[in-house]
Order: sequence, then C-alpha cells, then structure tokens
Amino acid sequence: GAVVSQHPSWVICKSGTSVKIECRSLDFQATTMFWYRQFPKQSLMLMATSNEGSKATYEQGVEKDKFLINHASLTLSTLTVTSAHPEDSSFYICSAREAVNYGYTFGSGTRLTVV
Amino acid sequence: QKEVEQDPGPLSVPEGAIVSLNCTYSNSAFQYFMWYRQYSRKGPELLMYTYSSGNKEDGRFTAQVDKSSKYISLFIRDSQPSDSATYLCAIAEAGTALIFGKGTTLSVSS
Repeated sequence: GAVVSQHPSWVICKSGTSVKIECRSLDFQATTMFWYRQFPKQSLMLMATSNEGSKATYEQGVEKDKFLINHASLTLSTLTVTSAHPEDSSFYICSAREAVNYGYTFGSGTRLTVV
Repeated sequence: QKEVEQDPGPLSVPEGAIVSLNCTYSNSAFQYFMWYRQYSRKGPELLMYTYSSGNKEDGRFTAQVDKSSKYISLFIRDSQPSDSATYLCAIAEAGTALIFGKGTTLSVSS
C-alpha cells in the first residue's frame, strides 16, 4: 500500500531556531500534500495545502512566513517552522493524496518540542 | 456550527462489547467518509473508507454512512483491549483536505 515517510519523528529545539520536517511518498506520486497540527487531546487541524510546484494555501490563522511549506517534487514536501517558540510545540502530521486513487495517506507524525 | 461533530468520550467498555462511534456533519457536499484510529503519540491510521452512502464491513469493523441524516457511524464488534485508542472521523469533499472530528477515546478493559 501507499506509504508516507515523515522525518524526524521527534525533535527538540531551542526557541528562535528553525526546524524542518520532511514528508516523502515512497511508492506513489503525491500531487497534493496536507499539513496538520495536533495539540494534546485535540483533533487534527489543517494548517495548509500544497500542490506540487505551486505555493501552499494556508488556513486562516496560520502564519505563512512562520510555517514555510515547500512541495518541489511529487514525492517530497517539507514544513519548516521558523523562529520556533514554545507555543509551536505540537504534533505535526503530513498527509499525501494521490491523483489517481484519491487516497489519503498519513505520515507517522513529528513531535516538536521547543524549549 | 462546526462542520464535523464528534463526541470526545471517553468511552469505556468491557472486552467483547459492541462499540458504536458516531459523527454528524453539516455540509451535504461531503462525499468521502473515513475513520482513523490513532494510538498515543502516533499518526492516524486509516481504518475504513466509504464513498457516498451505504455500509462497509471489514472484519470486526463496520462503517455506515447516512447522507440523508448527515450521520456516520463506526461499529466495532467483539472489542479487544488492543482496540483502545482514539478514533477520528474524517470527511471531505472531492479534491479537498480531510476535516476531522475531535476524536473519541475508547478504552476496552479485559
């Protein structure tokens, strides 16, 4: 089946630094990538949608200059949290969608802790 | 009104019980209905996927979609302690991102 590899699975960084999270579709072409954030005991909230080769579309309230999304190829999308603050500590999850089968496949998630 | 409503629970049942999980939604344009299971500190994994209305069965799991009532359900038969997790419904229109319910936390005791 379709697999999305997300790295790193967890990361601790200092306030003010930047962190990059990668999502790779291993055996299919991900025409669309979705990035979600999940706070403890809450559901997944969509942050942004990115289509390969296009600028990402951000949900209301999500700072595009803080959460940089790059989807330069059909198998790789990255989310960079810039100038991270403790309130950015969360579980970040990507989801890739195939164009053909319209399936959604999720990465295993990245737990970010900003200290 | 939120687009997807799900009772967060928690829900506690004994092993072997039948579990019923539900979500309601407000947008009649939704066509894709999923149920995901999420263990603590892990990403969600797809359990069931239904397009449009109807029932779908996979082992101990049955998903139902009632578009006229805007209501979806997931039934778990013969529940096991390993079923203890958070179950999230997720719904989408064609070509859009999934919208998730809050998730229901299920605990199955042996």
